[in-house]
Amino acid sequence: ETGVTQSPTHLIKTRGQQVTLRCSSQSGHNTVSWYQQALGQGPQFIFQYYREEENGRGNFPPRFSGLQFPNYSSELNVNALELDDSALYLCASSPSRTSTDTQYFGPGTRLTVL
Amino acid sequence: LAKTTQPISMDSYEGQEVNITCSHNNIATNDYITWYQQFPSQGPRFIIQGYKTKVTNEVASLFIPADRKSSTLSLPRVSLSDTAVYYCLVGDNYRGSTLGRLYFGRGTQLTVWP
Repeated sequence: ETGVTQSPTHLIKTRGQQVTLRCSSQSGHNTVSWYQQALGQGPQFIFQYYREEENGRGNFPPRFSGLQFPNYSSELNVNALELDDSALYLCASSPSRTSTDTQYFGPGTRLTVL
Repeated sequence: LAKTTQPISMDSYEGQEVNITCSHNNIATNDYITWYQQFPSQGPRFIIQGYKTKVTNEVASLFIPADRKSSTLSLPRVSLSDTAVYYCLVGDNYRGSTLGRLYFGRGTQLTVWP
């Protein structure tokens, strides 16, 4: 158990809809990262937040946005869903600001876009 | 964006030592190289992390040459439960900023046979 939780576990949406995924980090972990993992692929870095500010971003369009809150929770919002957005979405928390320091992953949210 | 290259798959037998090498270019000079293990339908789990030379913990060793363009994860005496996908994670410099982007790559599927 990493102490990182995500909700919901599974989600089904239709193309064009909007979705919000939630993550609860370990207490004291000021850095949270979000990843998209398509079937059979490695996790793709979406973005990282440190103390509620964006700390880095991968090659994802602006319709992927995030928020981090002072209570160690965070959100990933995806607008105008596309079929290719179907994937496992992972959040990971870390006590350090260093991008590649040890991250503790949640179990993920499986998003299916129909 | 930094990219990593790993073998797609490896096979081993119980009790053997397994070495998985990851090649990476353009990694950030001040970031760690981190290895993760992932089982199906679970988030990645931290194995080991290093900056240079050799690091050892209770489950693995990590060898990093001076140029940091590659790293080798060494798993001593693997068991059936080590069957999983193994990823190396690196960061890269983004427009000269210390705000990094993270790159997982496609990982190596290790299968351990009895």
